[in-house]
Amino acid sequence: EIVLTQSPATLSLSPGERATLSCRASQSVSSYLAWYQQKPGQAPRLLIYDASNRAPGIPARFSGSGSGTDFTLTISSLEPEDFAVYYCQQRSNRPPVLTFGGGTKVEIK
Amino acid sequence: QVQLVESGGGVVQPGRSLRLSCAASGFTFTTHGMHWVRQAPGKGLEWVALISDDAINKYYADSVKGRFTISRDNSKNTLSLQMDSLRPDDTAIYYCAKPSGSCVDYWGQGSLVTVSS
Repeated sequence: EIVLTQSPATLSLSPGERATLSCRASQSVSSYLAWYQQKPGQAPRLLIYDASNRAPGIPARFSGSGSGTDFTLTISSLEPEDFAVYYCQQRSNRPPVLTFGGGTKVEIK
Repeated sequence: QVQLVESGGGVVQPGRSLRLSCAASGFTFTTHGMHWVRQAPGKGLEWVALISDDAINKYYADSVKGRFTISRDNSKNTLSLQMDSLRPDDTAIYYCAKPSGSCVDYWGQGSLVTVSS
């Protein structure tokens, strides 16, 4: 079973600052990693799929990178609406189940 | 547009059963496997179950195996989750989720299940 570890657990930043979130897999997931944003009371929203592809409608300030076991989500300049919890996720092949990281909360400093 | 609408949540006593449903629209339901994902209050996301497009293959998280049953009715574009022998640690928001490749591109709004005496 692949385990995803996200760091840091909480990131305290100001609007306009750059956010760098990490997700580490216990074994290689190739590039099959996704990132989601979740705001209080809402369902998760897909941001990035296959490590570096933005989902439709996602602003260009969100970018993803990495492959194998180490992945990064970068928000180039935080907007007020970006303060939320972010999760990474991978899908195993056999069986094709989903695994989520524990989340990183990006909060206003 | 894609819509996933869950229903059936509520408050139930430990040991009892509950059935969740998810009405899907806006995409070809019969060609997609479907997931259930849950989120306990204040906690992260936990995958619960997956059913293949033809309902032949079903997979479960260890935490629910033997107690939960995922099913679908392709004639009605409906996904279901039968939850038996419920425990307090099953308390969560349950999301119906449509996969796209290795990720989930659409989520329902969620249905809250509270297991409490």
